[in-house]
Amino acid sequence: ETGVTQTPRHLVMGMTNKKSLKCEQHLGHNAMYWYKQSAKKPLELMFVYNFKEQTENNSVPSRFSPECPNSSHLFLHLHTLQPEDSALYLCASNPEGLTDTQYFGPGTRLTVL
Amino acid sequence: EDQVTQSPEALRLQEGESSSLNCSYTVSGLRGLFWYRQDPGKGPEFLFTLYSAGEEKEKERLKATLTKKESFLHITAPKPEDSATYLCAVQADGFYGGSQGNLIFGKGTKLSVKP
Repeated sequence: ETGVTQTPRHLVMGMTNKKSLKCEQHLGHNAMYWYKQSAKKPLELMFVYNFKEQTENNSVPSRFSPECPNSSHLFLHLHTLQPEDSALYLCASNPEGLTDTQYFGPGTRLTVL
Repeated sequence: EDQVTQSPEALRLQEGESSSLNCSYTVSGLRGLFWYRQDPGKGPEFLFTLYSAGEEKEKERLKATLTKKESFLHITAPKPEDSATYLCAVQADGFYGGSQGNLIFGKGTKLSVKP
């Protein structure tokens, strides 16, 4: 499979649950990103990893915890979320260097009850 | 503060009715301007990157242009399959501060093309 894949595609969780989102890219890229997309709002950058090192944390609450074990995989660990965290979570990647075009996965639609 | 404003918020066209989407931006130093297409429930799909004023790029019925303050996405003779939300994003060059490489997105223009 090629491109950027995300699992699960849909997730419903309670405020006390712990869950994880997974992103995998098959493009040989070295930078990976997490974005949040809420209705009527622009995409919001959450985290950036370049060569497995976190280079950006865009003031994201600690209930979101990223993990990048290698250049092909990116996780977003979720715990004690709030209903306002319901959104489409998008993963993106780009080649070596943070200034290249970013390519997005299909997203995980998260609903927090 | 770097920001991107897209207009209109929504646009309804008849098939074959050409029009343009606007993306106005303010950024301390522009490295690139990106256009993406997003279908409902899917991630953004890359369309174009523009780097300097005067640059133009085309793909099928789409043509993107860039000035020092805005970009236009021209849609010629659109078809129903062109219906989607079109996103514009700018990338700062980092020379004037801020995070080089980070994309700043607009809210998008939702395009509907009726047969």
